[in-house]
Amino acid sequence: EAGVTQSPTHLIKTRGQQATLRCSPISGHTSVYWYQQALGLGLQFLLWYDEGEERNRGNFPPRFSGRQFPNYSSELNVNALELEDSALYLCASSLALTGREQYFGPGTRLTVT
Amino acid sequence: AQSVTQPDIHITVSEGASLELRCNYSYGATPYLFWYVQSPGQGLQLLLKYFSGDTLVQGIKGFEAEFKRSQSSFNLRKPSVHWSDAAEYFCAVATKAAGNKLTFGGGTRVLVKP
Repeated sequence: EAGVTQSPTHLIKTRGQQATLRCSPISGHTSVYWYQQALGLGLQFLLWYDEGEERNRGNFPPRFSGRQFPNYSSELNVNALELEDSALYLCASSLALTGREQYFGPGTRLTVT
Repeated sequence: AQSVTQPDIHITVSEGASLELRCNYSYGATPYLFWYVQSPGQGLQLLLKYFSGDTLVQGIKGFEAEFKRSQSSFNLRKPSVHWSDAAEYFCAVATKAAGNKLTFGGGTRVLVKP
């Protein structure tokens, strides 16, 4: 069974640009979560999507947004990139009913120059 | 505020020796507890979880963890460490009140000496 997949593996952007990160959950999982792992800040919860709707949001500005598609895959969009957005962005998925047991993908390394 | 603390930033252990990683949490009720491992440049792999019931839980790769309500702790242990266990380990908690959000500790980096 395939795990959570993320693309691209690496992404290099310039300050002020927009970045789009993609995630495909484990087959049968309907919930997708996004986390940011930045140097010195640890792992922080960004967003949770389930059945196409945003269910919960972490303490991040509105320029961090996303969506979930009918096939349960998800996109994370970061607008007006700032240098401090450089981080590893991890996507996780879970079954909707249990929710708490989350399985992570390999991440997308975003570098903002 | 809810928090998760991993007091040890780095631990060095000899191959074959035992390992214990500490995790303390601060929540009003018993949370759901997890340990994840992250190898360099990789995502997180779930080692084990505790939701309820038996306070000693077994996980993958020979790891186990014990939930102690009185100490608000969920320490991870392995009796004999292998060189491949060198990685960063994260304790995480989730609560019904917080929805499905995982709150992570700061992580403990484990170095294994030959």
